[in-house]
Amino acid sequence: QKEVEQDPGPLSVPEGAIVSLNCTYSNSAFQYFMWYRQYSRKGPELLMYTYSSGNKEDGRFTAQVDKSSKYISLFIRDSQPSDSATYLCAMIPISSGSARQLTFGSGTQLTVLP
Amino acid sequence: NAGVTQTPKFRVLKTGQSMTLLCAQDMNHEYMYWYRQDPGMGLRLIHYSVGEGTTAKGEVPDGYNVSRLKKQNFLLGLESAAPSQTSVYFCAAGRPSGEKLFFGSGTQLSVL
Repeated sequence: QKEVEQDPGPLSVPEGAIVSLNCTYSNSAFQYFMWYRQYSRKGPELLMYTYSSGNKEDGRFTAQVDKSSKYISLFIRDSQPSDSATYLCAMIPISSGSARQLTFGSGTQLTVLP
Repeated sequence: NAGVTQTPKFRVLKTGQSMTLLCAQDMNHEYMYWYRQDPGMGLRLIHYSVGEGTTAKGEVPDGYNVSRLKKQNFLLGLESAAPSQTSVYFCAAGRPSGEKLFFGSGTQLSVL
């Protein structure tokens, strides 16, 4: 079993829809949670970053963490064709090691249709 | 400000050939990473470096070597390429806290 599971999609929605992207994880040591966005033939770029449980909002994007259920979500309101990309969740454990290594989900491919 | 630059962008190798992928960053970050991305597998860490002159193994290090002779450069080497190393390779740089990595645009490598 992978430490981080993410539905690969593909997910296709009409413009203006609310999108929900999700990841589940098994390692209870994960404490930092990120969402990266990756456009085709590009490297990932950090979209949202949250620490521990709770919600964080940034414009049309909301990241939600439920540590009790080991479940994180990214919501996109009023989705736009420019949101079409692959979304990767990533997590970092609390660790005393020399480098905090990210564990990535496999990514969900999203297409927003005009 | 280029951020993280990878060269080359594309490469085709024959089995057994060697090559080096170059990553350069202009952000003065201490930590640098090499990942590979395969369909359905997400990003997997190959090797990383916490500073000039240091390297460490990640999740999938076999068949690869790395060097960090200068702070701004991180090289990934394949001594004897195998078809299983066909992948897209990404370099990243970031702060020790690890939450924000800056990625290059990737190198698409095919090994025939």
